[in-house]
Amino acid sequence: NAGVTQTPKFRVLKTGQSMTLLCAQDMNHEYMYWYRQDPGMGLRLIHYSVGEGTTAKGEVPDGYNVSRLKKQNFLLGLESAAPSQTSVYFCASSYGLAGLTTQYFGPGTRLLVL
Amino acid sequence: AQSVTQLGSHVSVSEGALVLLRCNYSSSVPPYLFWYVQYPNQGLQLLLKYTSAATLVKGINGFEAEFKKSETSFHLTKPSAHMSDAAEYFCAVSSGGSSNTGKLIFGQGTTLQVKP
Repeated sequence: NAGVTQTPKFRVLKTGQSMTLLCAQDMNHEYMYWYRQDPGMGLRLIHYSVGEGTTAKGEVPDGYNVSRLKKQNFLLGLESAAPSQTSVYFCASSYGLAGLTTQYFGPGTRLLVL
Repeated sequence: AQSVTQLGSHVSVSEGALVLLRCNYSSSVPPYLFWYVQYPNQGLQLLLKYTSAATLVKGINGFEAEFKKSETSFHLTKPSAHMSDAAEYFCAVSSGGSSNTGKLIFGQGTTLQVKP
């Protein structure tokens, strides 16, 4: 049981390049989330999904897209990376709504955009 | 709108001393409140949560927090700090009851340093 895994662990991009971050969970959780963590700002929700085939915007969705084609996977895409997207990205999953159940976090992906 | 404020971005204590990390929240509906811990280069791990049952909540590693509605606070405490407690701590809020959106709002985080 690996829990929540994220790929890659670290990536350097040039401005304008695109990439996809992969999140996978093996706990059969319905809900999945993508956050970004920046110094002094805590974690901010980018997008989330309440089930396979669904996605919704969070607090800071601009510049990102997501897809949940399979229940166990949640992909975060950057179509044209910008230096402002330099951050640490965390994926999380939960069995039910965040208020009622625990969110389990992955180890994070460090992204540097030059 | 909900929000969380953690007072003090950096707290330093001596090993064996009391740990107190402060969290105040704003919510127009009954909140669910959480404390998460992040060790260096790792993801977040749940320490404890309040979901409208007992106001004093006990978590892992000897931590506890008390929900005080009148003060809109959910401060985290531990009677005796250990070197292994050095980490970053996040307070978070989610709307409770029938208006539960399933989303967490995090505070800015507090880095706990434990000195020998």
